[in-house]
Amino acid sequence: GESVGLHLPTLSVQEGDNSIINCAYSNSASDYFIWYKQESGKGPQFIIDIRSNMDKRQGQRVTVLLNKTVKHLSLQIAATQPGDSAVYFCAESVSWGKLQFGAGTQVVVTP
Amino acid sequence: KAGVTQTPRYLIKTRGQQVTLSCSPISGHRSVSWYQQTPGQGLQFLFEYFSETQRNKGNFPGRFSGRQFSNSRSEMNVSTLELGDSALYLCASSVTPRGAYEQYFGPGTRLTVT
Repeated sequence: GESVGLHLPTLSVQEGDNSIINCAYSNSASDYFIWYKQESGKGPQFIIDIRSNMDKRQGQRVTVLLNKTVKHLSLQIAATQPGDSAVYFCAESVSWGKLQFGAGTQVVVTP
Repeated sequence: KAGVTQTPRYLIKTRGQQVTLSCSPISGHRSVSWYQQTPGQGLQFLFEYFSETQRNKGNFPGRFSGRQFSNSRSEMNVSTLELGDSALYLCASSVTPRGAYEQYFGPGTRLTVT
């Protein structure tokens, strides 16, 4: 398939610490990227997006960094809370109505 | 504003049967995309509809089809179900008519094929 999800890496972070989730994207021509959070039994929840003409964008407790040179995207979560435990996906816009998703990262917040 | 809704939330079907899933986008959103999510393949794009027209299609067999109505509600149909069709089917809506931007997802329909 186009999106390989055979292995889900896990990031374990202590409550209150900052989290950094990384993602490599594939299409140099992609002009738009999104981070989603998916909790068990729910659909992906929009967190933050960034266009390719930007390097950084900040939201509430989250920051997305885009490095087009190495096709790398990261999501930083400040002061991670138990409610941040979920699977996080990066996605890139590749064509009409189509997002291509990464495999996802499981974030586990420990007390 | 109400979010994306999908019905039913859960379905159990037998191999060879067909199934229809429904998606109501956020009010004002005219683009609806469908995705299949499985543990092995992750999230994969099925197709996208805008103004009742399929504009894009993923790499799925012809058993998977969809349509969109004039009120932007969308349905997808899977015929001759196979065990491998067991998955979470997600729809996402977007207000932007171009590209794939700001897609908001529904809760999904969990389909189990036995």
